[in-house]
Amino acid sequence: EAQVTQNPRYLITVTGKKLTVTCSQNMNHEYMSWYRQDPGLGLRQIYYSMNVEVTDKGDVPEGYKVSRKEKRNFPLILESPSPNQTSLYFCASSLRLAEFQETQYFGPGTRLLVL
Amino acid sequence: TQLLEQSPQFLSIQEGENLTVYCNSSSVFSSLQWYRQEPGEGPVLLVTVVTGGEVKKLKRLTFQFGDARKDSSLHITAAQPGDTGLYLCAVNSGGSNYKLTFGKGTLLTVNP
Repeated sequence: EAQVTQNPRYLITVTGKKLTVTCSQNMNHEYMSWYRQDPGLGLRQIYYSMNVEVTDKGDVPEGYKVSRKEKRNFPLILESPSPNQTSLYFCASSLRLAEFQETQYFGPGTRLLVL
Repeated sequence: TQLLEQSPQFLSIQEGENLTVYCNSSSVFSSLQWYRQEPGEGPVLLVTVVTGGEVKKLKRLTFQFGDARKDSSLHITAAQPGDTGLYLCAVNSGGSNYKLTFGKGTLLTVNP
């Protein structure tokens, strides 16, 4: 089954304790992305990656790191989490069907609480 | 300033009614996507519109891209409780085909 998986699905942590949220896709997609979703602010892109070893900042990259060493995996790293990073996080992967036409698949989300 | 303005923010209707939600901007876009997100799940891509004036249909859902490619609408005919969810529009921004910006969405509730 074609899917994007994220782990963990739920995480409670404390300020400053480094954490990694994993994301994996089994569709051989080149493009992957991370978003956070917050009430009143909507869905905002954190980082995206167009291929292995190619990453770029989205709209809200501060406080986050990513890496793309393999095509299927795109982990999100919070080196020193803070309470304002409490959010619902989504990973997505995309297949480019044609110019200006990508079909994007989202993972199930990771709900993070930073105390 | 929000790149994409979606309206209404909330909409609660009875089963069988028709509705239209909107996604507006002052910018011109090469394409626009619509997603539906159900509680506790990730967004699911419904459609991508590319050409100004384009109309696409997905069962009871009709999507239209404005002639000037600055706005879009989603019309649902005879809404059903299964249509309940957050409807999001999104566009490529920042000069990259992969940098997506979403509107804040319309939260639709269809009551039985």
